[in-house]
Amino acid sequence: EPEVTQTPSHQVTQMGQEVILRCVPISNHLYFYWYRQILGQKVEFLVSFYNNEISEKSEIFDDQFSVERPDGSNFTLKIRSTKLEDSAMYFCASREHKGIPSNQPQHFGDGTRLSIL
Amino acid sequence: GDSVTQMEGPVTLSEEAFLTINCTYTATGYPSLFWYVQYPGEGLQLLLKATKADDKGSNKGFEATYRKETTSFHLEKGSVQVSDSAVYFCALSLNEKLTFGTGTRLTIIP
Repeated sequence: EPEVTQTPSHQVTQMGQEVILRCVPISNHLYFYWYRQILGQKVEFLVSFYNNEISEKSEIFDDQFSVERPDGSNFTLKIRSTKLEDSAMYFCASREHKGIPSNQPQHFGDGTRLSIL
Repeated sequence: GDSVTQMEGPVTLSEEAFLTINCTYTATGYPSLFWYVQYPGEGLQLLLKATKADDKGSNKGFEATYRKETTSFHLEKGSVQVSDSAVYFCALSLNEKLTFGTGTRLTIIP
């Protein structure tokens, strides 16, 4: 069964450094998402992306965050200047382009654990 | 805003016990509802979904019915196995994003 793959599985970064989290969505999917889960808290929506544009973003997704689809397969999340509170598990997800958006399940990767020191 | 409230965990049951994990939601429209499961060290996997009132989603012996009148989507399984030990997330979707509950950690003991 096709999978969403994320790399690395664990990233340790010094505060203030830039970090890029990488995702390879399922190949025929056209909608892409990032979520995060701070330890012990809810999974929170960050951003959705379609047709090379952000379609929706949350309040968390401020100017320090950016997303990009640099080629036909990768989808990246960049944090420009990391803060301690950015430490979390980051999940990438994708879904097909068919039907009503809210009805279509999103398929998730295994996540990248980001630790800011 | 839209929100999902899940039964607080952790939940510990013996093998073959009956499982219920409660989930209620608040939404401005008519959302689709999902249960996702996270096994240790893995990502979120879709367990089941329901897209309109009175729909029943089912998979791997798990069931949940979309109850509009009580704004609920409780997860049930008649006889749990040790392999069902995981964290279970209830979620809703009105448009592009999923809104999750806090997750319920389930442990099944032999």
